[in-house]
Amino acid sequence: DIQMTQSPSTLSASVGDRVTITCRASQSISNWLAWYQQKPGKAPKVLIYKASTLESGVPSRFSGSGSGTEFTLTISSLQPDDFATYYCQQYNSLWTFGQGTKVEI
Amino acid sequence: QLQVQESGPGLVKPSETLSLTCTVSGGSINSSGYYWGWIRQPPGMGLEWIGSIYYSGSAHYNSSLKSRVTISTDTSKNQFSLKLRSVTAADTAVYYCASGYYYQTSWGQGTLVTVSS
Repeated sequence: DIQMTQSPSTLSASVGDRVTITCRASQSISNWLAWYQQKPGKAPKVLIYKASTLESGVPSRFSGSGSGTEFTLTISSLQPDDFATYYCQQYNSLWTFGQGTKVEI
Repeated sequence: QLQVQESGPGLVKPSETLSLTCTVSGGSINSSGYYWGWIRQPPGMGLEWIGSIYYSGSAHYNSSLKSRVTISTDTSKNQFSLKLRSVTAADTAVYYCASGYYYQTSWGQGTLVTVSS
């Protein structure tokens, strides 16, 4: 099974900050990686797929990069609506989520 | 716009079988290339993929749950279902159904299932 490891687990930031979250796969997954945002009490929402492709309707301040085993999600200028938990997910071989990164004030 | 919605009991007794149904609207469960899946989230914890079924009917399961899980489709009702056998308190979670070609683009609102006597 492919394991996904995110860092950090928690990230304290302020509005306007540039934020980067890292996700590492236990083996190469090419670029078969998605990023999700989840707010309390809500279902996750996909932000990015295929490592760097922005889902329709997602603000351009979100971006993704990486391939193989190392990936990053970057929020260029953190907005109040962005305080949430973010998950990476590989879909190269079945599906596996990272453990999540909570972005808090 | 494809939508999915979970339904089923909110309370299950230990050792019994958890059964949930996901109803698909705005599209067909026979849609070519689609995966229909279940994901759960224990209170205060992260997301865990349980399993998915391809539109053709082939199912894939998380290896840690494989011995207890069955996912199936009912094309006549445009639904797919989850059965998790021999549940314990560790199976208490919000259960989501979701769909997409590879990653999940449509999610249900989630349903809390508590395992308790």
